[in-house]
Amino acid sequence: DQQVKQNSPSLSVQEGRISILNCDYTNSMFDYFLWYKKYPAEGPTFLISISSIKDKNEDGRFTVFLNKSAKHLSLHIVPSQPGDSAVYFCAASDFNKFYFGSGTKLNVKP
Amino acid sequence: GAVVSQHPSWVICKSGTSVKIECRSLDFQATTMFWYRQFPKQSLMLMATSNEGSKATYEQGVEKDKFLINHASLTLSTLTVTSAHPEDSSFYICSAPGAGSGPTNEKLFFGSGTQLSVL
Repeated sequence: DQQVKQNSPSLSVQEGRISILNCDYTNSMFDYFLWYKKYPAEGPTFLISISSIKDKNEDGRFTVFLNKSAKHLSLHIVPSQPGDSAVYFCAASDFNKFYFGSGTKLNVKP
Repeated sequence: GAVVSQHPSWVICKSGTSVKIECRSLDFQATTMFWYRQFPKQSLMLMATSNEGSKATYEQGVEKDKFLINHASLTLSTLTVTSAHPEDSSFYICSAPGAGSGPTNEKLFFGSGTQLSVL
């Protein structure tokens, strides 16, 4: 059973607008959440993370929000750029084991 | 950042043959490496945790005799798919934890993955 879910397989956004990628999880024991970005023919690379003791973490154009009561996290990218076009995976960690969503393919149109 | 190198990136083999996939940490030591498998439109699923100097830990439902893992050194882990069958065709990717900013957890650094096609 998937413990981390990304229900939107794809998202298309206009350059300059906000991209919002969503992720839901089921295990309340997860204590650390991460977002990874993946370009074709490359491995995923770490983007941003958040501890379960926080509800927001910001790094430049990227902000991750965590709603523990709803078991939901989201990644906001603003403003979106064409170079942000990639597959984004959310991940949750429990005792150093990582569980991944199925990914959301973001397309930022110029 | 830390670099994890994975080879080969693509392999096609006949049913019944064995395929070895290598995962190397290039600029850091990894006592632990993780092996994942991803089927199309599905999540990265953890198959096993590779531990240097000891036996790998396999996730439930993963056949340890079919997916042989060897963590020969602090920078090399290998996954061998033995007697491969078409249903083993998948995307396999390794990762190693590196120093991160989390209080109890570390970031994962990923190889580029191996697409296995079994004819």
